[in-house]
Amino acid sequence: AQKVTQAQTEISVVEKEDVTLDCVYETRDTTYYLFWYKQPPSGELVFLIRRNSFDEQNEISGRYSWNFQKSTSSFNFTITASQVVDSAVYFCALSEDTGGFKTIFGAGTRLFVKA
Amino acid sequence: DAMVIQNPRYQVTQFGKPVTLSCSQTLNHNVMYWYQQKSSQAPKLLFHYYDKDFNNEADTPDNFQSRRPNTSFCFLDIRSPGLGDAAMYLCATSRGDRGAWKGYTFGSGTRLTVV
Repeated sequence: AQKVTQAQTEISVVEKEDVTLDCVYETRDTTYYLFWYKQPPSGELVFLIRRNSFDEQNEISGRYSWNFQKSTSSFNFTITASQVVDSAVYFCALSEDTGGFKTIFGAGTRLFVKA
Repeated sequence: DAMVIQNPRYQVTQFGKPVTLSCSQTLNHNVMYWYQQKSSQAPKLLFHYYDKDFNNEADTPDNFQSRRPNTSFCFLDIRSPGLGDAAMYLCATSRGDRGAWKGYTFGSGTRLTVV
């Protein structure tokens, strides 16, 4: 069965600190897609990144970087030099190739960045 | 800008009184979804439309129904809201023939309160 685990419920950091949000997933599919979404206090989920199971290259986008490791079934997200505007709930999600249109979300990690 | 719009942002309804939430999109995406997100929980898929085909999740209560009169609009009807239905309802869209692998575009959500 597919499952996404975000073990960190809440993380609190001071501005300019680096922070890593952990995501571990379970799937039986060989083809699958992993996502990170950001949910600021306003409520809408904002797409951040998609990774397919055949592409283990790490990715960097500005202060954001993602580390995908199939060997440990992890897809971790690092924010470098965090800012107050990064405060939000971050969701890791999984979509399987055989799962049709369903995406499974983790429980989310609430990040507080203090000035 | 192309987007997903949900109305209203906040909805208060009485226990047992039918309520309808609406979602519209200008992205011309063929798939539309309704997710329920209770406080501090992950979004949970209720159902989705692939074009005109309605796909209900097995554990979605009968109390929840949906309509998609055209590509742009999708409605969530709650026939007899209970206190346990208080939640954020998120509409999302995606484009694709095979599944949700391209990721979603979410609306801002409607926060439903049942009194």
